Amino acid sequence: GQNIDQPTEMTATEGAIVQINCTYQTSGFNGLFWYQQHAGEAPTFLSYNVLDGLEEKGRFSSFLSRSKGYSYLLLKELQMKDSASYLCAVKDSNYQLIWGAGTKLIIKP
Amino acid sequence: DGGITQSPKYLFRKEGQNVTLSCEQNLNHDAMYWYRQDPGQGLRLIYYSQIVNDFQKGDIAEGYSVSREKKESFPLTVTSAQKNPTAFYLCASSYEAGEESQPQHFGDGTRLSIL
Repeated sequence: GQNIDQPTEMTATEGAIVQINCTYQTSGFNGLFWYQQHAGEAPTFLSYNVLDGLEEKGRFSSFLSRSKGYSYLLLKELQMKDSASYLCAVKDSNYQLIWGAGTKLIIKP
Repeated sequence: DGGITQSPKYLFRKEGQNVTLSCEQNLNHDAMYWYRQDPGQGLRLIYYSQIVNDFQKGDIAEGYSVSREKKESFPLTVTSAQKNPTAFYLCASSYEAGEESQPQHFGDGTRLSIL
């Protein structure tokens, strides 16, 4: 079966750095996406990785290792507004998105 | 402003009743999707459509039906056959389902509960 694993919840301090991991086992791989979802709201697109390595976008970076079936989202200079769930999703061989359950990130002052 | 509009935001269903959730997009996207989100679980695909007048079942299509008569619209009907409909329903769209790098864009969701 297809599976995406993320930690259920993480806590970090305002101004710090946090790394949210995602491991996947899917039938084929056509890219990995990270989304942010605030409670009761729609997911919003953060980043996309299809090749190994690091993609940087301002305070957010995403890393991919296809051989290890592993990705992480790195958030720097954390702000209170970063409190949200972070969803990892992989496009499989049928170009369908397989979603992880999400990591709830709690930011403390 | 381009975007995806879902309505209503909250919906209540009585026993034996069918209800329809609306999803409209003005992004000129070809593909549209319906997901269900339950606490502690990833998004699960109900139905998707890559072109007008065509749609495919996702992983949990039983008890749901859709139509795609216009490119902009992809309504979802939750039928009385869906015995556990309480969930957060999200509609999404993208330029092309087979395009690797195109992200899906989401509406604000409809929260459905049973009366």
